[in-house]
Amino acid sequence: AQTVTQSQPEMSVQEAETVTLSCTYDTSENNYYLFWYKQPPSRQMILVIRQEAYKQQNATENRFSVNFQKAAKSFSLKISDSQLGDTAMYFCADFYNNNDMRFGAGTRLTVKP
Amino acid sequence: DVKVTQSSRYLVKRTGEKVFLECVQDMDHENMFWYRQDPGLGLRLIYFSYDVKMKEKGDIPEGYSVSREKKERFSLILESASTNQTSMYLCASSINLGTQYFGPGTRLTVL
Repeated sequence: AQTVTQSQPEMSVQEAETVTLSCTYDTSENNYYLFWYKQPPSRQMILVIRQEAYKQQNATENRFSVNFQKAAKSFSLKISDSQLGDTAMYFCADFYNNNDMRFGAGTRLTVKP
Repeated sequence: DVKVTQSSRYLVKRTGEKVFLECVQDMDHENMFWYRQDPGLGLRLIYFSYDVKMKEKGDIPEGYSVSREKKERFSLILESASTNQTSMYLCASSINLGTQYFGPGTRLTVL
């Protein structure tokens, strides 16, 4: 089965610093999409950022950016100027075949004041 | 904004009971999904539906069934709840191209 791997179960960062969350995937599809979702404590899961595999340019959304290395099948999330509200579980996911999204096990990020 | 709602945030049931989890979305999305979320395992797909009355098995369909009689509503049914079905259940919907919108989740405890 194709899998998404997040090798860091837990991470912490000081407020205002930068942190990078790792993700690797192993899809053999040519057309696919990659996602980072955020799940704050006791709150709804929301989309952070998304990357189309055919695009070479790394996606960015304000303080969130990705480092997409297609050949290495790596898709890391960088959070700049970390804020207390960034404390959450972060899930990496890939999507292909029009409906089949696979999630990693998640990384629990704590931003410390 | 897309809104996905789930009927309960917390639910406690007894072994052997029939359990219904309801999910409603208000954006006319074709696709709807049920996941369960367990620590260390991420989200695992139980069932999904790409149209009314259509359903497809996900990775872990055993012990579950689903119903989609209307486009906006997708129900997950546990025919005879068991303790190993204690989990967080997440519903999601999407149009196409992957981006899924999630409900707040239902934390089910089976005693």
